[in-house]
Amino acid sequence: SQTIHQWPATLVQPVGSPLSLECTVEGTSNPNLYWYRQAAGRGLQLLFYSVGIGQISSEVPQNLSASRPQDRQFILSSKKLLLSDSGFYLCAWSTSTGGWYEQYFGPGTRLTVT
Amino acid sequence: GQNIDQPTEMTATEGAIVQINCTYQTSGFNGLFWYQQHAGEAPTFLSYNVLDGLEEKGRFSSFLSRSKGYSYLLLKELQMKDSASYLCAVTEAAGNKLTFGGGTRVLVKP
Repeated sequence: SQTIHQWPATLVQPVGSPLSLECTVEGTSNPNLYWYRQAAGRGLQLLFYSVGIGQISSEVPQNLSASRPQDRQFILSSKKLLLSDSGFYLCAWSTSTGGWYEQYFGPGTRLTVT
Repeated sequence: GQNIDQPTEMTATEGAIVQINCTYQTSGFNGLFWYQQHAGEAPTFLSYNVLDGLEEKGRFSSFLSRSKGYSYLLLKELQMKDSASYLCAVTEAAGNKLTFGGGTRVLVKP
């Protein structure tokens, strides 16, 4: 069966510090991978998605970046965090074949920028 | 682009029925998902509609009208554990991306 991992679960970082969040998927090959952010009491905002190693599409211009160094690894980074980067960060994966694309979410990382 | 609207909050009584509406305006439409999200947790998949009509799955049903850009999620025989946010999301024709609505927070009272 497939599982998706994210770490850390919670993170408190000062403004201006760097960020690295990691997501890994097990039990599947060549998945589509996604990074979402959810502000408190709000819906999910798609930040990045990837259909393969080294292939990253950005949905929202901002101070965040994403990388996919391996097939089942997706990393979200920032060089300098802003207060507005606080939120619940969710990684998700979906199959890349078939008629439709249910997405499965990881447990999330709650980031507080102080 | 996509524009998805759903009510912010709804309250219902245990054992009752609640209907959560979702309207969307999209430049390309492939299908519509409903997810459930308990506070502080990740969303979990509930249903998917690509054709017009009703999809039933136990106590939950989801309806889609493509011509009207409208969907609803029906929760029957409400239980306290159904208190959660319910997220409507649409996929574009390419199917790779989900665009979410703001979510509807449902509070079930005894």
